[in-house]
Amino acid sequence: EPEVTQTPSHQVTQMGQEVILRCVPISNHLYFYWYRQILGQKVEFLVSFYNNEISEKSEIFDDQFSVERPDGSNFTLKIRSTKLEDSAMYFCASSEEGTAHFGNGTRLTVT
Amino acid sequence: QKEVEQNSGPLSVPEGAIASLNCTYSDRVSQSFFWYRQYSGKSPELIMSIYSNGDKEDGRFTAQLNKASQYVSLLIRDSQPSDSATYLCAVRSAQAGTALIFGKGTTLSVSS
Repeated sequence: EPEVTQTPSHQVTQMGQEVILRCVPISNHLYFYWYRQILGQKVEFLVSFYNNEISEKSEIFDDQFSVERPDGSNFTLKIRSTKLEDSAMYFCASSEEGTAHFGNGTRLTVT
Repeated sequence: QKEVEQNSGPLSVPEGAIASLNCTYSDRVSQSFFWYRQYSGKSPELIMSIYSNGDKEDGRFTAQLNKASQYVSLLIRDSQPSDSATYLCAVRSAQAGTALIFGKGTTLSVSS
């Protein structure tokens, strides 16, 4: 069964550094998403991407964040100048139109 | 502010019993409803989707939707210890595009 693939599984970075989280969505899916989940809290929507542009974003997704689809398969989330509170699980998801399928996530730890 | 509310639990049931998980949502124009299962440290895994009022069954799982009451539930029949996980209710509103709004989840513990 096709799946969403995320790398790395765990990323440790120092405060103030930039990180790039990578995702390979399911190949025939058209919608791509990033969500995050701070430990013990709910899954929160960050951004959705359709037709090579951002279609929606939440209040969390400010200028510190950016997304890109650099080629036909990858979908990336860049977090600039990381803060301690950016520590969380970051999930990529993709969908054709209806249900979203999630990758295994990247655990980001900012020290 | 669109919100999805779930009782955080834990909900404890013996093996073989029926587990009932509930969810309410605030946005009246919500159109699509999903139940995900999340094991500790893992990603959400889709169990069921439901779009119309009434019941939808898939194996041991039944989702129930009542849009007038803004209420969606998940029943798990013949609960197994492997069902022990956090169950996330997620809602999509046409006004919010395709993004999912999640509840905080209900932790289910099935004892053998």
